[in-house]
Amino acid sequence: KAGVTQTPRYLIKTRGQQVTLSCSPISGHRSVSWYQQTPGQGLQFLFEYFSETQRNKGNFPGRFSGRQFSNSRSEMNVSTLELGDSALYLCASSLLAGEETQYFGPGTRLLVL
Amino acid sequence: SQQGEEDPQALSIQEGENATMNCSYKTSINNLQWYRQNSGRGLVHLILIRSNEREKHSGRLRVTLDTSKKSSSLLITASRAADTASYFCATAPLSGAGSYQLTFGKGTKLSVIP
Repeated sequence: KAGVTQTPRYLIKTRGQQVTLSCSPISGHRSVSWYQQTPGQGLQFLFEYFSETQRNKGNFPGRFSGRQFSNSRSEMNVSTLELGDSALYLCASSLLAGEETQYFGPGTRLLVL
Repeated sequence: SQQGEEDPQALSIQEGENATMNCSYKTSINNLQWYRQNSGRGLVHLILIRSNEREKHSGRLRVTLDTSKKSSSLLITASRAADTASYFCATAPLSGAGSYQLTFGKGTKLSVIP
């Protein structure tokens, strides 16, 4: 079974731009979560989607949004990028909502200049 | 916000030695998990221990959990160069309310010298 895939793997943007990251979960998995990883703050939860519904959201500003499609693929969007948004964005999938073990993708490394 | 705090932040050992990492957390938990991350890549799930368990083994890994002290430890025995990675503990809240959110510590960076 293919693992979680994330595209693109690397991205460079400038302040004020917006960006969309994509995540394809493991086949059959219906829950997708997003995390941001920075050297200063570590790994922080962004949001979780299940059956196209956002079930949980972390403490991030409204510039961070996401969605999930009927095939369980998910996208996250960051508008009006700031330098502090430079991070590794990780997507994780699980079979159902509330599953204990999450399977992580390789991440998208975003650099904001 | 960070729930877990790993200790030490960095650890360097010789191949064949044992590596012990500790994690402390603040609130009541449903379970505690350990993940490994190689060089800024994705996380790999290693082991999960539930709040009613005290010890768990998986291959060369041994995890203990002390809920009274809100702490856990991960022991890697007979370490190999391939174990070089960052190790994170992650906690799941006691009341998940149907949703799931892992809270990670800042990690221990393990270097195993051949």
